[in-house]
Amino acid sequence: AQSVAQPEDQVNVAEGNPLTVKCTYSVSGNPYLFWYVQYPNRGLQFLLKYITGDNLVKGSYGFEAEFNKSQTSFHLKKPSALVSDSALYFCAVRDSGGYQKVTFGTGTKLQVIP
Amino acid sequence: KAGVTQTPRYLIKTRGQQVTLSCSPISGHRSVSWYQQTPGQGLQFLFEYFSETQRNKGNFPGRFSGRQFSNSRSEMNVSTLELGDSALYLCASSPGLAGTYQETQYFGPGTRLLVL
Repeated sequence: AQSVAQPEDQVNVAEGNPLTVKCTYSVSGNPYLFWYVQYPNRGLQFLLKYITGDNLVKGSYGFEAEFNKSQTSFHLKKPSALVSDSALYFCAVRDSGGYQKVTFGTGTKLQVIP
Repeated sequence: KAGVTQTPRYLIKTRGQQVTLSCSPISGHRSVSWYQQTPGQGLQFLFEYFSETQRNKGNFPGRFSGRQFSNSRSEMNVSTLELGDSALYLCASSPGLAGTYQETQYFGPGTRLLVL
C-alpha cells in the first residue's frame, strides 16, 4: 500500500519570506511524486512532478521541490512568498510499479500574510 | 486545447435519489480518473478508466459506479444517495500512454453535489 503525509494542516508565512510545505510518502517501488494547488471553488492545478533524475524539480509560479529518497520526502518550496500563493496545496504519489492509483495527501492550507 | 469540463457544476439532490455526473477530458487524453473531495476526508480516489476499461478502483461502496465511452468521455453514477455523499467530485484526465504512470493529471473544476 502507498501513502502520503502532509503533517501540517496550515502553514503561515509572511510575504517575501521563503515558504516550505512538507510532504512524506511511502511506496513499495520507486515513487512518482506530484504537487498540485487548489484555489477556492476551483479544481486542482498541476505545479510540478518528480519522475527521475535531478532531485531538485522546478515548477510553475516559482515553486520547486526537493526529492529526498533517504527521508522519503518531497517538500515544496518557494524562495519568496506572495499573497497570491495563498491556497490549498496537495502532494500526491504513484508507485512506478504500475496499475497503482494516485494517492493524495490531506492538503496543507498556505496562508501568506501581507 | 480546451481543458477538462464537468457537468453539471452544481447539483442538489435528496436522499435516495440517484445522480449522474459527466466529464469530458482534454482532447486526445484517454485516461480519466474520478475523485471525491470533502473537508473531512480530503481527496479520495474513486476509479480510473483507460480506453473504456476500469483499470483501478478505490474503496467506495457499489453505489458508486462509472463508465467511459469510446470518445473518452466519462460518467459516474451514484445511486441511493446518502447525506454523506455531499462533496465536490473532481474528474482528471491524462494522456494515458499505456504502461506509463508518471503522467500529470489535469483536473476539471468539479461538480459540487449537495444531498438533502
